[in-house]
Amino acid sequence: GQQVMQIPQYQHVQEGEDFTTYCNSSTTLSNIQWYKQRPGGHPVFLIQLVKSGEVKKQKRLTFQFGEAKKNSSLHITATQTTDVGTYFCAGITTDSWGKLQFGAGTQVVVTP
Amino acid sequence: GAGVSQSPSNKVTEKGKDVELRCDPISGHTALYWYRQSLGQGLEFLIYFQGNSAPDKSGLPSDRFSAERTGGSVSTLTIQRTQQEDSAVYLCASSPQPPGHLGNTIYFGEGSWLTVV
Repeated sequence: GQQVMQIPQYQHVQEGEDFTTYCNSSTTLSNIQWYKQRPGGHPVFLIQLVKSGEVKKQKRLTFQFGEAKKNSSLHITATQTTDVGTYFCAGITTDSWGKLQFGAGTQVVVTP
Repeated sequence: GAGVSQSPSNKVTEKGKDVELRCDPISGHTALYWYRQSLGQGLEFLIYFQGNSAPDKSGLPSDRFSAERTGGSVSTLTIQRTQQEDSAVYLCASSPQPPGHLGNTIYFGEGSWLTVV
């Protein structure tokens, strides 16, 4: 079955630095979504990517969808303490429109 | 309400007892999802309801788990004969359209924290 893998599992970042988290799927995705979960909170939708090679930006966050629609990345520039949390990617395949498969997440810790 | 509402927020139950978890989706949302999240882990898909279609139950881990959605709105997740490994946060989410639709946003509730002792 479809699997969505995320790396790294943990990311320790100095405030002001940049980092990237990666998401890889074993099968081609129709679209991919990214969520952020603050400690003790629930996942909050960030963005949806649909097109091959798509790049979207939200302030300091840059999201990319791979050309083959099997991988995605989230790049955060000038990390702030408010970026603390776990970032999940979630993918959907064309034959399973309802089964949004989540990766295990990247837990981000920011050091002031 | 303004968001997805789940109850109870916390539940401690004895091993072997049955539990029911309730989800009130955002009004008008046709899609409803249940996920399970163990401590420090990712989200495990359980079940998905879309309108009046038959639900996708492929994520339910055993026949002790069942869910229903009445009138296309409120959903109840039932766990029978609970086991310690069932301890987790059970998250409900809803969206106005199926997850694959362009521009669709999925909203999660705060979750029901289940502890089986």
